[in-house]
Amino acid sequence: DAGITQSPRHKVTETGTPVTLRCHQTENHRYMYWYRQDPGHGLRLIHYSYGVKDTDKGEVSDGYSVSRSKTEDFLLTLESATSSQTSVYFCAISEFMGKGYEQYFGPGTRLTVT
Amino acid sequence: AQSVAQPEDQVNVAEGNPLTVKCTYSVSGNPYLFWYVQYPNRGLQFLLKYITGDNLVKGSYGFEAEFNKSQTSFHLKKPSALVSDSALYFCAVRDTDNAGNMLTFGGGTRLMVKP
Repeated sequence: DAGITQSPRHKVTETGTPVTLRCHQTENHRYMYWYRQDPGHGLRLIHYSYGVKDTDKGEVSDGYSVSRSKTEDFLLTLESATSSQTSVYFCAISEFMGKGYEQYFGPGTRLTVT
Repeated sequence: AQSVAQPEDQVNVAEGNPLTVKCTYSVSGNPYLFWYVQYPNRGLQFLLKYITGDNLVKGSYGFEAEFNKSQTSFHLKKPSALVSDSALYFCAVRDTDNAGNMLTFGGGTRLMVKP
């Protein structure tokens, strides 16, 4: 998993509560990403980061915020969780290999919003 | 803009037979193309990529993919399927003009290999 850990691995929360998911990497990668995976949609990019305090929105960023105060940690926050945010969340890093960049993924966090 | 289509939700193949999982893409510039595999309750694992050079790319576990620019396709292939190849497969694309190295994924194709 390219030195990527995600916490928690599973979480059940109630609608309206804030939730923070953590992605931690140990290899000093510059680029980090948050995706959500839903049946029929593949993976969709929520937010990404290209350095400490440098972040940008992805395809499905509404209802999510991110922070990256140090290289190794990329946090995803659901300010007020909704049932539509029930999903599996994957963190990824981008590493230059051979002729181009490749993305490597963490093990995922399964979030259920009741 | 970049997009990917995987036209088949599921592909069924008998063990020992060749398999193909289809992928077509759209980019405004030149494409970087990727295949990933996901086993149950696991993250995505990198299989192979096309950046430049030979149109036939070889990857992990005996998989290969053929880049076809005129058909904007990047189909995943394996000469002889194994039951252990059963998994969810994702095609992804990145436009070479994409500064953030962001990938766009297809919806995934479930491969079922039967003994």
